Amino acid sequence: DAGVIQSPRHEVTEMGQEVTLRCKPISGHNSLFWYRQTMMRGLELLIYFNNNVPIDDSGMPEDRFSAKMPNASFSTLKIQPSEPRDSAVYFCASSMHSAGTEAFFGQGTRLTVV
Amino acid sequence: AQKVTQAQTEISVVEKEDVTLDCVYETRDTTYYLFWYKQPPSGELVFLIRRNSFDEQNEISGRYSWNFQKSTSSFNFTITASQVVDSAVYFCALDPEAAGNKLTFGGGTRVLVKP
Repeated sequence: DAGVIQSPRHEVTEMGQEVTLRCKPISGHNSLFWYRQTMMRGLELLIYFNNNVPIDDSGMPEDRFSAKMPNASFSTLKIQPSEPRDSAVYFCASSMHSAGTEAFFGQGTRLTVV
Repeated sequence: AQKVTQAQTEISVVEKEDVTLDCVYETRDTTYYLFWYKQPPSGELVFLIRRNSFDEQNEISGRYSWNFQKSTSSFNFTITASQVVDSAVYFCALDPEAAGNKLTFGGGTRVLVKP
């Protein structure tokens, strides 16, 4: 298995532009997570899907952030409009929805908003 | 609310020394799972070990061992005979059963192993 695949690996964009991050989870996993990592706040869960349905989006910082999972093999995290404070590494992770199963993380997308 | 605290921000050791990473957690759930993840300089997060709240037996897996003490809400992790390749940031994480695999991470401990 190729693992969780994220694209792009790096993204540099200007403030105000729309940014779309993409994730392909591990085949057969039915839970998908988007995390954000910053120096100040560490690793934070943004949103969690189970069977393609958003279950908990309480970590999404504001309305500029949105996430979708149109099918079991693809998810997007969109920021519109982007701001410099959105600069971070965004991780996608997937797991089987069973208590205590480990989450497998992608390599992350490093986003820089200038 | 869940909380994970890793009081050590950075540890520096010389190769072959043992390294113990501390983790203290808070949760009201009676059933939960604890994890350690490693983040090497390349940036990805790699799963290392898992323990559930009903199993306090400490184990050893290769050069890794862990000490889970429910009475003190601690889940410490030890690397024996450290190697340069162990240099990374190590994260402790908590997954309460009711949370559905949503991980709460500690702030991480950076380990630097010098040759």
